[in-house]
Amino acid sequence: DSGVTQTPKHLITATGQRVTLRCSPRSGDLSVYWYQQSLDQGLQFLIQYYNGEERAKGNILERFSAQQFPDLHSELNLSSLELGDSALYFCASSVVDRASGYGYTFGSGTRLTVV
Amino acid sequence: LAKTTQPISMDSYEGQEVNITCSHNNIATNDYITWYQQFPSQGPRFIIQGYKTKVTNEVASLFIPADRKSSTLSLPRVSLSDTAVYYCLVSSYNTDKLIFGTGTRLQVFP
Repeated sequence: DSGVTQTPKHLITATGQRVTLRCSPRSGDLSVYWYQQSLDQGLQFLIQYYNGEERAKGNILERFSAQQFPDLHSELNLSSLELGDSALYFCASSVVDRASGYGYTFGSGTRLTVV
Repeated sequence: LAKTTQPISMDSYEGQEVNITCSHNNIATNDYITWYQQFPSQGPRFIIQGYKTKVTNEVASLFIPADRKSSTLSLPRVSLSDTAVYYCLVSSYNTDKLIFGTGTRLQVFP
C-alpha cells in the first residue's frame, strides 16, 4: 500500500457520459498529480494541484477538469467521454509543489473503460 | 527538461545481472536522475535516484559517469518478479512535473 488511495479501481461507462475519479494523497502530502496511461501513449501528465491551487498543466483535454479540496483529496472529472478516453488514470502525491522525483508516490490507478 | 533515451525492451534470464542505460545528453547542472519501476496495471514506484558517481540501495545500483550524459540502472540477479517497465527521468528540485518517456520493458525468463 503506497498510501495514495484511488477510487474506484474499475469503471465502465458509455460514450457521452461523465465520470469522477477520486484520489486521496498520502498523509502529509500537499501536491496531487494526475496522469493518464493508455496502451499507445504511455504515461501522460495531465494536471497538478498544490494545497488547493492548480500549479501545472499538461496535455489535459478541455472535457477534463480537476480540483483539490480543503481536505487535500482531489477529483478528476471526465465528461463527454469518448472511446479513446479508455485508459488507466493514476494519481501521485508529494510533499512539495516541485517534482524532485524522489517524493512522488503513485496510487494503484483507476481503469476506465468507455464502451 | 532534459530528454531521455532508453532501449524500448530488454530480455534476461533469472539470476542474471541486468543493466539498463539511459542517455540524457542535455542534462543540466541542477538535474538529478531518477528511475521508476512499473508493473502491469500498477502505478510507477520509485527505485533509485542519483546525481553523480554511484548510488546503491537494497534494490538496485545507479552508475553515473563524470559527464553525467548517461546513467545505468543495474539490477543484480533478476527474478521473474523484476519483469516490468523501467523509466529513467531527469529533473531538478525546481521541476514542476515529472515527464515519463516510453521506458524500457524488461522481460525476465525462467
